[in-house]
Amino acid sequence: SQQGEEDPQALSIQEGENATMNCSYKTSINNLQWYRQNSGRGLVHLILIRSNEREKHSGRLRVTLDTSKKSSSLLITASRAADTASYFCATDEEGAQKLVFGQGTRLTINP
Amino acid sequence: DTAVSQTPKYLVTQMGNDKSIKCEQNLGHDTMYWYKQDSKKFLKIMFSYNNKELIINETVPNRFSPKSPDKAHLNLHINSLELGDSAVYFCASSRAVDEQFFGPGTRLTVL
Repeated sequence: SQQGEEDPQALSIQEGENATMNCSYKTSINNLQWYRQNSGRGLVHLILIRSNEREKHSGRLRVTLDTSKKSSSLLITASRAADTASYFCATDEEGAQKLVFGQGTRLTINP
Repeated sequence: DTAVSQTPKYLVTQMGNDKSIKCEQNLGHDTMYWYKQDSKKFLKIMFSYNNKELIINETVPNRFSPKSPDKAHLNLHINSLELGDSAVYFCASSRAVDEQFFGPGTRLTVL
């Protein structure tokens, strides 16, 4: 079953702008993770936020988690052309022992 | 050093054939996974193994048979290939249901 729903499906912005992607999910989770996938490559882990955390930062990335709304957002500040990729949220559902991935947001940064 | 490696990177074959994809990780992780990513980029777990034991089998046809000879290897054998099996297959590993490390993918094309 698909847990994460991502919004928007595609996002195109100018270099230097901020990019925000959202993820909604349906059940109780242990943690939520964000991954990046460059074209033709494997997924790369970006950041993990646990269910008892509300916000986390890593470099230009900021992730928020609202468990009452079952949603998360990923903010990339001061975007660069190299940030062009697909971004996926993945939820570690309680008791499931697996990650369930959303359908991804395709981000394009225009120079 | 490559953390998670897969071979081959590309696989083109006729319907009805049998093929295998190999995966190795040198991270010392206990858990390994196989994912299928379809043409719409939707990533779905197929199997997971923990210490060579099958943990998850996500209603995958029994034409797909994973084999884990040891903790560092998880191979995927596919019998009687069908057109619908065309996809990118990713191997991944992790310490727990935590950050997962993905291989570069194997693009399977069934003609």
